[in-house]
Order: sequence, then C-alpha cells, then structure tokens
Amino acid sequence: NAGVTQTPKFQVLKTGQSMTLQCAQDMNHEYMSWYRQDPGMGLRLIHYSVGAGITDQGEVPNGYNVSRSTTEDFPLRLLSAAPSQTSVYFCASSYSIWGGTNTGELFFGEGSRLTVL
Amino acid sequence: GQNIDQPTEMTATEGAIVQINCTYQTSGFNGLFWYQQHAGEAPTFLSYNVLDGLEEKGRFSSFLSRSKGYSYLLLKELQMKDSASYLCAVWDNQGGKLIFGQGTELSVKP
Repeated sequence: NAGVTQTPKFQVLKTGQSMTLQCAQDMNHEYMSWYRQDPGMGLRLIHYSVGAGITDQGEVPNGYNVSRSTTEDFPLRLLSAAPSQTSVYFCASSYSIWGGTNTGELFFGEGSRLTVL
Repeated sequence: GQNIDQPTEMTATEGAIVQINCTYQTSGFNGLFWYQQHAGEAPTFLSYNVLDGLEEKGRFSSFLSRSKGYSYLLLKELQMKDSASYLCAVWDNQGGKLIFGQGTELSVKP
C-alpha cells in the first residue's frame, strides 16, 4: 500500500515564487492535514480538512492555501514564498477524528523539505 | 487556546527506564497521542489514550489523567534505537485539530 504520498521531497524556491506541494492518500481517509516542522518548534498545523469540499485553518495558515476537491488529494499552495517558509512539510491523514473504537491515528507522508532563498 | 508542554531534552542509559511527561490545556479533548520521530523521518504512532489510566504496549506504556491535563510515556529496557524525538499531541475536537507539543529529544547512552 502506498499510504500517504507527498511530492516533491525536496524543493528550492526563490522569494516570491509560488508552488504547490502535492499530497495523496489511498486509504479512503476523510481527514487530511498539513503540518510544518521547524527546529525546536515541533509540528505546527497549517490547514486541515474533515472531508471533500471542507477545509479549515490551523495554527499557522498565513501564506498558504489548500483545497480538497477529492477524498484522495489535499494540495498545499504557497502563494508567494518567503524565507520564513523554509521548513519541512508533512501531510497526514486519518480515517476519522471522532475517536471511539477508531483512535483517529494520523498516518504521515515522508515529508517535503522546502528551502526559500 | 491550546498549550502543550513537554521537556525539550532527556538523557537516559541503555537498559534503564525513562518517563517523558506532557501537560496540556485545550479547549476540547478527544484523546491524546504519543508519536516517535527519528531524525530525518516522519512521525510514527506509538500510543493513544482517551480514558484515564495506563495503556501498555510491550516496552512502551502511556498514562492519562484528564482531570489534571497530564500524560506520560514510559519506556522500559531502553535500547539505543529508542534515541528519537517523542511528540505528545492532543485532539481538540471542538476544532477538529490535532495539536502537537514541541517534542522531547531523548538520547540513550551506552
């Protein structure tokens, strides 16, 4: 099983450029999310989606856009890259966020390392 | 708002036991997770607590007290491969968000 697939794994951008980080999952998960990870900062939630057509902001949404047109895909768009967006980005998905017998465990992609010059 | 605190770093000896604490304050609560993350890799799931008490999984155990906003991860019979970052995360179900603490970097020494 592919699980959660992120592309690209590495990217270098110049300030002001735009790009899209792709995320796809093949587990029929309703919940998908994007995090960024910086040294000493842990994982910070950028945007998340509880199902196709529904998205919401996380802790650090500024400078990023998302859309969820299908259950499988959840792309993250950087509108005008800034050096402060240099980070490692993780996409993660979960079957459900509502607990019960399902833990709502997040499955992570391998990460995308972005450098903005 | 949400606030999750864990120690930044810990050091322990191979074969010993270590306890990593996590305290949290969130607007809603629907479970607490522990993840392990080796350097340069993605986080992987270790444990989940939604009710008070201890959950045991082999060498790893996790405890939750919802009234105190407190959890710990207990690692027994430490091995060198346990050197990693351990992340505490809380489901804030009012917002549908999984919020992480900053992580605890554990170094296991021979």
